[in-house]
Amino acid sequence: KQEVTQIPAALSVPEGENLVLNCSFTDSAIYNLQWFRQDPGKGLTSLLLIQSSQREQTSGRLNASLDKSSGRSTLYIAASQPGDSATYLCAVTKYNTDKLIFGTGTRLQVFP
Amino acid sequence: GAVVSQHPSWVICKSGTSVKIECRSLDFQATTMFWYRQFPKQSLMLMATSNEGSKATYEQGVEKDKFLINHASLTLSTLTVTSAHPEDSSFYICSARTGRGGYGYTFGSGTRLTVV
Repeated sequence: KQEVTQIPAALSVPEGENLVLNCSFTDSAIYNLQWFRQDPGKGLTSLLLIQSSQREQTSGRLNASLDKSSGRSTLYIAASQPGDSATYLCAVTKYNTDKLIFGTGTRLQVFP
Repeated sequence: GAVVSQHPSWVICKSGTSVKIECRSLDFQATTMFWYRQFPKQSLMLMATSNEGSKATYEQGVEKDKFLINHASLTLSTLTVTSAHPEDSSFYICSARTGRGGYGYTFGSGTRLTVV
């Protein structure tokens, strides 16, 4: 059974810091991995998607990497801002399925 | 872009009553929708997958008679929590697939259900 874990569970940093959020998964037979953002009491917004054949994706201040063989992904946030405060979730998709298996999430707070 | 409208955003109901949550795809046809529940400070747990015109597929441990899912059209899926109890209080989120193979999901804004 695929298990997805995120470390740390919570993070509080001052504005301007560069951050690394970690995601690990137990079954490396994935189709892709996605990072989402969830604001309190809201739905999810997709940030980045990495196909299993790719090693990283970038969007603005966000960079996500994938090491499928070791079952790890990292989300790098450069020059963090208070508006980045949210819960960040990673999710993997297994081959031949459309199901997303979510990680445990990292609650990020960036203070001015 | 693809938008999924979920209603209501929050609901409070008494124990023993039923609550219906709707998810509509506004500008695309959603042949497949997913229903998740999320407990406070926990991740999303997939409850079931609904396909238009067929019975939903429930994940292990999810009571299909308690969580009724109907996907009668390509733009509407509903989740009905029957005979709700306080332990059903949770955040329910729907998602529609807009691409293949896990690529392209649009999520509803979620429904906060409180059973008193």
